Amino acid sequence: GENVEQHPSTLSVQEGDSAVIKCTYSDSASNYFPWYKQELGKRPQLIIDIRSNVGEKKDQRIAVTLNKTAKHFSLHITETQPEDSAVYFCAASPNDMRFGAGTRLTVKP
Amino acid sequence: DGGITQSPKYLFRKEGQNVTLSCEQNLNHDAMYWYRQDPGQGLRLIYYSQIVNDFQKGDIAEGYSVSREKKESFPLTVTSAQKNPTAFYLCASSIASYSYEQYFGPGTRLTVT
Repeated sequence: GENVEQHPSTLSVQEGDSAVIKCTYSDSASNYFPWYKQELGKRPQLIIDIRSNVGEKKDQRIAVTLNKTAKHFSLHITETQPEDSAVYFCAASPNDMRFGAGTRLTVKP
Repeated sequence: DGGITQSPKYLFRKEGQNVTLSCEQNLNHDAMYWYRQDPGQGLRLIYYSQIVNDFQKGDIAEGYSVSREKKESFPLTVTSAQKNPTAFYLCASSIASYSYEQYFGPGTRLTVT
C-alpha cells in the first residue's frame, strides 16, 4: 500500500518568512495529493490539493508543487502569519487516502 | 461546521468493555472513513467504506469493527481486543473514495482506564 513520509516534524519561523513542508510517497498510482491544516482542538480541513496532471498550484499565500518522477510534493507558505500556526498533514491517494505524520508549524510574531 | 457529526466528544470506558463511536453525515457522500490520531503519528486509517453494506480494513483494523447499514451512518466499535484504545478518533466522508476531498467530523476522544 501507499506510504507517505513528511518532513520536518516541527518547523518554527518568524512572521513574514516562508515555510516549506515536504512529503514523499511510494505508490506511483497515487494521483491526488491534498494538504490539510489542523488547528489546536479542531478538525483537519483541506487547504489546497493537487492532481497528478499538474505540477504546481497556487492559492494566495499557499502553493503546492508536485514532482511525479521523484514522487515528492511540497507545501509552500509565503508571508507567514501567526494564524498559520497549526499542524499540517500531507496525503496521497491511489484509491484510498494515506496521511503523513504531520508538521507542527509555529509562526513567531 | 455542520455536515458530519461525531458523538460524544469525550468518552470514558473501563478496560474490557466494548464501546461504539457514532459518525453521521448529511452530505450525501458515498465514502466514509475512520482514523485514529495519536501524538506524532498523524492520521492512521482504521476502516473505510465506499458504499452502503461494504467496508474495507485500513492499516490498523485489529480490535475494531464497523458497519455501514445506511449511507449517512458509519459507527465504529472499539472492542476489548484493541490493546491500546485510548486515542482521538476522527470520522471523515468524501463524495467518492478516490481522489476527493475528505470532510472531517469534530472527533471523539476516547479514554479507557
